[in-house]
Amino acid sequence: DAGVIQSPRHEVTEMGQEVTLRCKPISGHDYLFWYRQTMMRGLELLIYFNNNVPIDDSGMPEDRFSAKMPNASFSTLKIQPSEPRDSAVYFCASSPGDTFIDEQYFGPGTRLTVT
Amino acid sequence: GNSVTQMEGPVTLSEEAFLTINCTYTATGYPSLFWYVQYPGEGLQLLLKATKADDKGSNKGFEATYRKETTSFHLEKGSVQVSDSAVYFCAFGAGSYQLTFGKGTKLSVIP
Repeated sequence: DAGVIQSPRHEVTEMGQEVTLRCKPISGHDYLFWYRQTMMRGLELLIYFNNNVPIDDSGMPEDRFSAKMPNASFSTLKIQPSEPRDSAVYFCASSPGDTFIDEQYFGPGTRLTVT
Repeated sequence: GNSVTQMEGPVTLSEEAFLTINCTYTATGYPSLFWYVQYPGEGLQLLLKATKADDKGSNKGFEATYRKETTSFHLEKGSVQVSDSAVYFCAFGAGSYQLTFGKGTKLSVIP
């Protein structure tokens, strides 16, 4: 299996622009998670989905952030408009969901820089 | 509320030295405990886990024991290698599919 795939790996954009991050989870995994990693705040869970349905989005920082999962093999995280404080590494992870102690498999991350 | 506290880094060790990274948690009930590792430029990957009190998780020479009485899950390795240089995250899951992560401890092993 190719593992969790994220694109792009690096994104540089100007403040005010729309940014879309993409994720393809491991086939057959029922859970998908979006995280943000910064030096100051560490690793934060933004939102997670079960069978394409958002379960908990309480970690989404504000209305500028939105996430969708139109099908089992694709999810997007959108920031509109982007701000310099959104600069971070964004990870997508998926999990089989058989039990709540299942391992989460992380993608390589997207490093976002907003200037 | 639920939280994880792990020792702050960075930690720098010589090759073959003994490693301990402390981790304590605050949670209701009996969480499952995890250590994840992040190598440079990569995502996190599971290193080991323990699902109940007194369980010992182990992998690649690393060990951690679930201590309910001290709410701890310290990571240890008897002899580190340069290839162990990475950031290590303690995490727990408390009866849901979410994980709560510590802030990470960066380990550098020098030859």
